[in-house]
Amino acid sequence: EVQLVESGGGLVQPGGSLRLSCAASGFTFSNYWMTWVRQAPGKGLEWVANVKQDGSATYYADSVKGRFTISRDNAKNSLYLQMNSLRAEDTAVYYCGMYTSGYYGIDSWGQGTLVTVSS
Amino acid sequence: DIQMTQSPSSLSASVGDRVTITCRASQSISNHLNWYQQKPGKAPKLLIYAASNLQSGVPSRFSGSGFGSEFTLTISSLQPEDFATYYCQQSHGALTWTFGQGTKVEIK
Repeated sequence: EVQLVESGGGLVQPGGSLRLSCAASGFTFSNYWMTWVRQAPGKGLEWVANVKQDGSATYYADSVKGRFTISRDNAKNSLYLQMNSLRAEDTAVYYCGMYTSGYYGIDSWGQGTLVTVSS
Repeated sequence: DIQMTQSPSSLSASVGDRVTITCRASQSISNHLNWYQQKPGKAPKLLIYAASNLQSGVPSRFSGSGFGSEFTLTISSLQPEDFATYYCQQSHGALTWTFGQGTKVEIK
């Protein structure tokens, strides 16, 4: 059974940093693109970043470019999101997801981890 | 950047109703359009990929259509478990994605 489990969320002050992790199991992690999608409280879904199977290519939403870094460790079956220079508007539930190709959609998601940016 | 606009933003319907949600892209995206269902407090779930393909395990009352810049999600006979928020997502633009703002389907 495919499982994606996010961790690392919490309360952080504006300007601070946080690193989210997503532990994957039940599938061959290195065969899949991975993504982060977030959802601010009471709001819709916002795509954050994608990373290729071998980590050689990454893509970011304009709202996080230059502040967030997506990475992966295929030996540890883990996905990461390093978030720096956090702002109040980054407050959201962050979901990790897996996909073979954007054409086929995000076919499995984690349960999400809440990040709150507040003083 | 490609913008996605869903309509309506919310709707009220009864069990058994036929429901249609529209998603429009700011430019042509071929059939690179996916639909998701999200229930409160839960992660989204993929329903339709590539505009019209039903994801494995999704009931056949869900269907998708469209090409280019206009797409629809149809629920042929609304069931109690279908009350949720639905999102479209484009996967066409330069490996950067966009979601629609969502359509909340509520009980009439």
